Amino acid sequence: QKEVEQNSGPLSVPEGAIASLNCTYSDRGSQSFFWYRQYSGKSPELIMFIYSNGDKEDGRFTAQLNKASQYVSLLIRDSQPSDSATYLCAVNFMSGNQFYFGTGTSLTVIP
Amino acid sequence: EAGVAQSPRYKIIEKRQSVAFWCNPISGHATLYWYQQILGQGPKLLIQFQNNGVVDDSQLPKDRFSAERLKGVDSTLKIQPAKLEDSAVYLCASSRAGGYNEQFFGPGTRLTVL
Repeated sequence: QKEVEQNSGPLSVPEGAIASLNCTYSDRGSQSFFWYRQYSGKSPELIMFIYSNGDKEDGRFTAQLNKASQYVSLLIRDSQPSDSATYLCAVNFMSGNQFYFGTGTSLTVIP
Repeated sequence: EAGVAQSPRYKIIEKRQSVAFWCNPISGHATLYWYQQILGQGPKLLIQFQNNGVVDDSQLPKDRFSAERLKGVDSTLKIQPAKLEDSAVYLCASSRAGGYNEQFFGPGTRLTVL
C-alpha cells in the first residue's frame, strides 16, 4: 500500500515566522520528493523537489529529506501572508514510477 | 511553452449521466496523469500513462471510469454513469518521462453531480 501522510492542519504562524510542514511516506525505495503549493480554487504548482538526503534551499524555502526515517519536510522562512495556501507533498514510488500525493497541510500566515 | 490544456472547465450533470473530460499535455511530455481532487483532500491518482500505455490505474473505478490516450498525446477521461460522490475537480498533469521530472498541472475541470 502506497501512502503519503501529512498533518492536515490547519497550521497558523505569524508573519515573519518559520513555518514547518512535514510528510512521511511508506515506500522505502522512493527516490524523488516534491512539494507543491495550491491556492484555493487553483491547480497545484511546484515549489521544489529533493532527491538526496539532507537539506536543499531555494530562497525562503528549505526541503529536508531523511530516507532512513522516510520523512521529508518543508521549512518556509520569513513567512508572508501570500504563503497562505495548502501545501502538498508528493512522492514518486519507483516500484512503479507512480506519483502519490498527501492530503495537504493548510497554512495560514497571520499579518 | 504552452501549458496543459483541459476542457471543459466546469460541468454540471445529473447522477447516472455520462461525462467526458479532455486533456492536451505539454508538447514532448511522455507521461500524462489524471487526478481526482475532492474538496479538502489531496489529488488522488486515477491513471498514469507513459506515451499511450498505462503505468498505473490501480485507483481507477473501472466499473464506471475509463481513460484513453490516443497516439500518446491527448487524453480523454470518461465517467459513465456518474454518481454523487464523483463531484470533484479532475486534474490533468504531464511530465517528461522518468520519476525525477516535475509534473505540470492543467487548470482542472470542476464536476458537480446533482
